[in-house]
Amino acid sequence: IQLTQSPSSLSASVGDRVTITCRASQGISSYLAWYQQKAGKVPKLLIYLASTLQSGVPSRFSGSGSGTIFTLTISSLQPEDFATYYCQQLHSHPFTFGPGTNVD
Amino acid sequence: QVQLVESGGGVVQPGRSLRLSCAASGFILSDYVMHWVRQAPGKGLEWVAAISYDGSDKYYADSVKGRFTISRDNSKNTLYVQMNSLRSEDTAVYYCAKDSGWKLDPWGQGTLVTVSS
Repeated sequence: IQLTQSPSSLSASVGDRVTITCRASQGISSYLAWYQQKAGKVPKLLIYLASTLQSGVPSRFSGSGSGTIFTLTISSLQPEDFATYYCQQLHSHPFTFGPGTNVD
Repeated sequence: QVQLVESGGGVVQPGRSLRLSCAASGFILSDYVMHWVRQAPGKGLEWVAAISYDGSDKYYADSVKGRFTISRDNSKNTLYVQMNSLRSEDTAVYYCAKDSGWKLDPWGQGTLVTVSS
């Protein structure tokens, strides 16, 4: 299963609403997770099962979608949110990642 | 607290082998599926391999199939990946991660493998 992300990068300002799209090459139900990675740091889980917010993650992050199209939304971008975001499908092996979206 | 600590990285010549370890603490390893994920310098995340609770089922990315072997020793709370016939394109930070039910969390801090002559 191939994952594509759009855009590959975006420029945004603090307070902006940001939306990232992840598309799967075939249906994956809701078996999609989103991760945030800052430069030189370990990836951090944000969202799993497409829309479930991981404990401790701010509520400005939300996820939606099922089947082949998914979105990650940051309702009001904060300074600490500038990072690269990856989607991952956990429907069937290999558990592929998307190529990432850099938010700067 | 749940913690994963990778070790075993280093510089290795092309064609040689290396084994990475991931020591788990704060949870019972045998209760979880475990994964290896890697990230080449300046590149995105690449899922590498996964292993079932008891080690009976193993899954691999096409890029490492036949060269890498994932394994686990639940009695030692440790996950491994044996990497043979290493290539320059295997140069990456290797992370182990706990499958907490349709999500990888947490991840270890990673160990760097550099394949170079």
